[in-house]
Formats: sequence, C-alpha cells, structure tokens
Amino acid sequence: KAGVTQTPRYLIKTRGQQVTLSCSPISGHRSVSWYQQTPGQGLQFLFEYFSETQRNKGNFPGRFSGRQFSNSRSEMNVSTLELGDSALYLCASSSGLRGPEKLFFGSGTQLSVL
Amino acid sequence: DAKTTQPPSMDCAEGRAANLPCNHSTISGNEYVYWYRQIHSQGPQYIIHGLKNNETNEMASLIITEDRKSSTLILPHATLRDTAVYYCIVLASGGSYIPTFGRGTSLIVHP
Repeated sequence: KAGVTQTPRYLIKTRGQQVTLSCSPISGHRSVSWYQQTPGQGLQFLFEYFSETQRNKGNFPGRFSGRQFSNSRSEMNVSTLELGDSALYLCASSSGLRGPEKLFFGSGTQLSVL
Repeated sequence: DAKTTQPPSMDCAEGRAANLPCNHSTISGNEYVYWYRQIHSQGPQYIIHGLKNNETNEMASLIITEDRKSSTLILPHATLRDTAVYYCIVLASGGSYIPTFGRGTSLIVHP
C-alpha cells in the first residue's frame, strides 16, 4: 500500500507570493490533516478535512486555506507569503471514522520564503 | 494549551531500555494516549496508543497509570536508529480531533 505522498518536496518563494501544496492520502483514507512545523513553534495543527469538508481548524490566519477533492486528495494554499511562513508543512491521513485513529504522515514540503 | 508535558531531552545507552515519560493530568475519559516519533526531516511515525490498559507491539510498550494521568513509553532495547523526537498526544476517539503535539522529548541513543 502506497504511503502518504506530498508534493513538492522543496519549494522556494518570495514574500507576497502564494503557494499551493498537495497531499495524496493512503488509499481508502478519507481524512487529511495539515500541520506546520517550525523550530520556534514546533508541530502545529492547521486544519483537517473529511469527505471534502473542513471538520477542524487550528489557530492560523485566513491566509492559510485548504480543500479536499472527491478522491480525498487535499491541497493547502498560503496566500501573501510572509517570512515567518517558512516551515516544514506536513500532511497526515487517517480513516476518519469512529474509533482510535492512527495518523500516517507524509515526508512534508519544506517551504522557504525569501 | 498543550495537553501533555514531556521532558525536553533524554539519553540512553544502546541496548538498554529507554523509558520516556508523559504527563497528561487533564485527560478525559474518551481520550486515548498516542505516541509518535519523528526522525530528522521526516514526518512523524505512529508507535503505539492506549486507553487505559498497558499495550505492547513490535516497536514498544506503553504503560498507563491507573488514574490515566501519566504514561511511559518503553523501548526495550534501544538502538541508534531510535534517536528521534518522541511525541505523546491525547486524542478523543474517532471523528473530530485537534492533535496538540507540543515539543516532545528528544531522545539520543549513544553507543
């Protein structure tokens, strides 16, 4: 079974630009969640999508948005990039159903904002 | 607010048991304890989870106190490849969740 795939692996952008990151979950998983990891703030939850609907949201500004498609693939968009958005962005997939959940993480997209 | 508290760092000799503590004194009755680890520049990897009973799998053992306010992850025979940041999180069962990972414990296994 293929794992969680995130593309691209590395990305360099300049301030003010926008960026779109992609996440393909494990086949059959309907929940995709996104995280930002920085040395200063650690691993922080951004949002979670289940069956194309945002089900949970962390404490991030509206510049951070996402969506999920009918095949459960998800994209995350960051508009008007700031230097502080430089981070490792991780996504994780899970079944999203009742019962204890194991999160399966991708390798992440390393975003550098110059 | 972090729901768990972990020591920032620990070290262990190769071949010895590594015991990583976690405090989750505000855990609710329907919340599970999960452990993940993250090796540098990779995504976190699931290790084990439990509700109130002790659990064991091929990677580790999880000991949860009777009052469920703390737990210990045990790597019985640590190897150099176990050097990683270990995260303890609590999550309610299925459906809605907002995982709070905190800073974790940086475990260094030395020869």
